[in-house]
Amino acid sequence: GAVVSQHPSRVICKSGTSVKIECRSLDFQATTMFWYRQFPKKSLMLMATSNEGSKATYEQGVEKDKFLINHASLTLSTLTVTSAHPEDSSFYICSARTDRLAKNIQYFGAGTRLSVL
Amino acid sequence: GESVGLHLPTLSVQEGDNSIINCAYSNSASDYFIWYKQESGKGPQFIIDIRSNMDKRQGQRVTVLLNKTVKHLSLQIAATQPGDSAVYFCAENMDTDKLIFGTGTRLQVFP
Repeated sequence: GAVVSQHPSRVICKSGTSVKIECRSLDFQATTMFWYRQFPKKSLMLMATSNEGSKATYEQGVEKDKFLINHASLTLSTLTVTSAHPEDSSFYICSARTDRLAKNIQYFGAGTRLSVL
Repeated sequence: GESVGLHLPTLSVQEGDNSIINCAYSNSASDYFIWYKQESGKGPQFIIDIRSNMDKRQGQRVTVLLNKTVKHLSLQIAATQPGDSAVYFCAENMDTDKLIFGTGTRLQVFP
């Protein structure tokens, strides 16, 4: 149980285009979903926290107009990197948690490797 | 400031030996801790957790120890196997939704 699916696993795009990443909780309803960014050989940096039906809460320094988060249902959250540039290239990971399981355990997707040319 | 850090960035162990990965945290208000394993190119995978009212918790081949006096957390892996090779992160929680992740330790298992 507690499977989180993230799609796509890898995307290569041209500078200036927008990229959408999906995060789905497959066998549970996620109370909260999180989006992280991870640079090579570095730890996870929380970008934003989102609850279904409400606006995402962004961490300090994360541009909300650049990284659009939509949490339309209890099983789906999307991250759209708008007008992507090479500096946006990174590994993006989502996670989800639910109050029905151990409260603060986050279950992670497999990540999306974004490369902006 | 508040932070979670690790003493050793890389740990190399021989297959079959026990591994000990350490983590220091600075926020005494943290009441919940999790260890995650991240293999290359994948998302973190939950290993084991522990609440601050405990000092030890055991799972399958893994044990987490919590020393609140010195704000130290460790993950012990018994009979380390090649499949244990990964980066291990500790994370702390302070009764909010967020987890604060440490910097990570790479575990390398050699034959």
